[in-house]
Amino acid sequence: DAGITQSPRHKVTETGTPVTLRCHQTENHRYMYWYRQDPGHGLRLIHYSYGVKDTDKGEVSDGYSVSRSKTEDFLLTLESATSSQTSVYFCAISQGQGGEETQYFGPGTRLLVL
Amino acid sequence: AQKVTQAQTEISVVEKEDVTLDCVYETRDTTYYLFWYKQPPSGELVFLIRRNSFDEQNEISGRYSWNFQKSTSSFNFTITASQVVDSAVYFCALSEAYYGGATNKLIFGTGTLLAVQP
Repeated sequence: DAGITQSPRHKVTETGTPVTLRCHQTENHRYMYWYRQDPGHGLRLIHYSYGVKDTDKGEVSDGYSVSRSKTEDFLLTLESATSSQTSVYFCAISQGQGGEETQYFGPGTRLLVL
Repeated sequence: AQKVTQAQTEISVVEKEDVTLDCVYETRDTTYYLFWYKQPPSGELVFLIRRNSFDEQNEISGRYSWNFQKSTSSFNFTITASQVVDSAVYFCALSEAYYGGATNKLIFGTGTLLAVQP
């Protein structure tokens, strides 16, 4: 258990509305990640963070923004939700150092955009 | 470019059968890391193993074993004497070595759904 929680766990929203998902960790990990999981695609990286206020884009970042104002929280915002953003969103932390890092995942957030 | 291919979309076996899940990867780096994760029906992602590219020793953990072959760019996962509790989606993933403060981004395969029938 890497001490990762995600909120909300389930959300239904309408097209065009902004949505924010929260990832919270309790073990002071430097690196945090947001992935989305879709059938036929596995998991794909949206954004990641390598420290407070330090973030960068992943493979599928269009339509998403992130913020990290403190070590323990990494927020993912869908600026104007679309049906193509219906997905399961996973947050992860990286544990270890010197090439021995392993990512551990939160429980996921199921998002449905109508 | 990095890529991970899990050609088996679904596998169905009967309990106590052995089953091998295939993973083939592509990378231009000489140093990289390979992972397997399990996603049971409850939905969480469970880390199973990490393997460094310079360590080609096979690994066994109980009923699980992994065969890493750089010559064929494969990192296959075998479950011996499968059990119903092994039913899950299994993901293979790859990350390249990083330098100077960058981070280990994972590239996932599309997963293999394993169904173990009683």
